[in-house]
Amino acid sequence: GENVEQHPSTLSVQEGDSAVIKCTYSDSASNYFPWYKQELGKGPQLIIDIRSNVGEKKDQRIAVTLNKTAKHFSLHITETQPEDSAVYFCAAPKGSARQLTFGSGTQLTVLP
Amino acid sequence: EPEVTQTPSHQVTQMGQEVILRCVPISNHLYFYWYRQILGQKVEFLVSFYNNEISEKSEIFDDQFSVERPDGSNFTLKIRSTKLEDSAMYFCASSPRAGTTTGELFFGEGSRLTVL
Repeated sequence: GENVEQHPSTLSVQEGDSAVIKCTYSDSASNYFPWYKQELGKGPQLIIDIRSNVGEKKDQRIAVTLNKTAKHFSLHITETQPEDSAVYFCAAPKGSARQLTFGSGTQLTVLP
Repeated sequence: EPEVTQTPSHQVTQMGQEVILRCVPISNHLYFYWYRQILGQKVEFLVSFYNNEISEKSEIFDDQFSVERPDGSNFTLKIRSTKLEDSAMYFCASSPRAGTTTGELFFGEGSRLTVL
């Protein structure tokens, strides 16, 4: 089955700096890689996703990069703001199946 | 903006009792899911549901668990005889996409289950 490893587990940055969170996956058949943001007491919210036919995708301050050869993908947040503070999860599907395997999460703290 | 709604937000129950968690997925979505998150741990897949039947389930989803879509809107998760280790946040999710391509999942805010 799919195994998703995520690091770091915690990350503190100064407001305005960039944050990078990395994930690796094991199943080479996986073709969809979402990133979720979870605020305290709430459900995961999709913030960006990428499919295996592209290497990078951007949405304003957020970008995701994918390296299929190395089986890793990363979340990049630029110009961080205090409201970016949350737990971020990467995920990958179990092969072509519809179930997602989540990483262990990264607690991002943006210091004002 | 349409959203997935879950009830109750928090339920406390005694070990061995039955619990039903309820979800109203987004109305035009086709796939429905239950995930759970034990405090401080990762989100784990339990089950997916499509066309009125289970399409996939994990090892966690044993005979104590069942899902149902009793009408056109509700999607429920039943735990027949709760155990202490069932204490977790249970998230319902739905997805608009049909076919085999994994699509965007929309999560509800969760139901916290505490088993005493």
